[in-house]
Amino acid sequence: GQQVMQIPQYQHVQEGEDFTTYCNSSTTLSNIQWYKQRPGGHPVFLIQLVKSGEVKKQKRLTFQFGEAKKNSSLHITATQTTDVGTYFCAGPGSGGSNYKLTFGKGTLLTVNP
Amino acid sequence: DTGVSQDPRHKITKRGQNVTFRCDPISEHNRLYWYRQTLGQGPEFLTYFQNEAQLEKSRLLSDRFSAERPKGSFSTLEIQRTEQGDSAMYLCASSLLAGGQETQYFGPGTRLLVL
Repeated sequence: GQQVMQIPQYQHVQEGEDFTTYCNSSTTLSNIQWYKQRPGGHPVFLIQLVKSGEVKKQKRLTFQFGEAKKNSSLHITATQTTDVGTYFCAGPGSGGSNYKLTFGKGTLLTVNP
Repeated sequence: DTGVSQDPRHKITKRGQNVTFRCDPISEHNRLYWYRQTLGQGPEFLTYFQNEAQLEKSRLLSDRFSAERPKGSFSTLEIQRTEQGDSAMYLCASSLLAGGQETQYFGPGTRLLVL
């Protein structure tokens, strides 16, 4: 079945440092979605990327979808304590299962003030 | 608040008891999902409804689990004869399929602890 892998599993940074998490799928994806889950919270949708090579920015967050549509990355510039949480990527199934999201294990980001 | 709501937020039960969770999706959303999340893992798909029809059940969903969405609005997830391995966060999400795209919005989850 489809597998989605994320690295690193954990990342601890000093406030102001940059952070990047990487996501790789075992299959080509029609789109990739990113979610953020704060400690004790639930996944909150951040963004969806659809096109090959697409790059989208949300303030200090930059999301990229690979040319082959099998990998993606999330980069945060100048982290703040409010960025703390687990960042998940998720890809839909193929064909008739495109509603079913497969999530990576996530990258837990902690920020030292 | 017009987001996805879930009830209860926390449930502690003894092994062997039955539990039922409720999810109220965003009102115009026709798709509803149940996921399970354990510590250190991403959400895992359990089942999916389009309107009132349950269209897929994961292999993770043993015959002790049943989900319903009787009028295409709220949904319930029941676990019979709970086991300690059922302890997890149960997340509900809803979406509206439009133009071939959809975004799943998650509720706050029900955290289940089976003693």
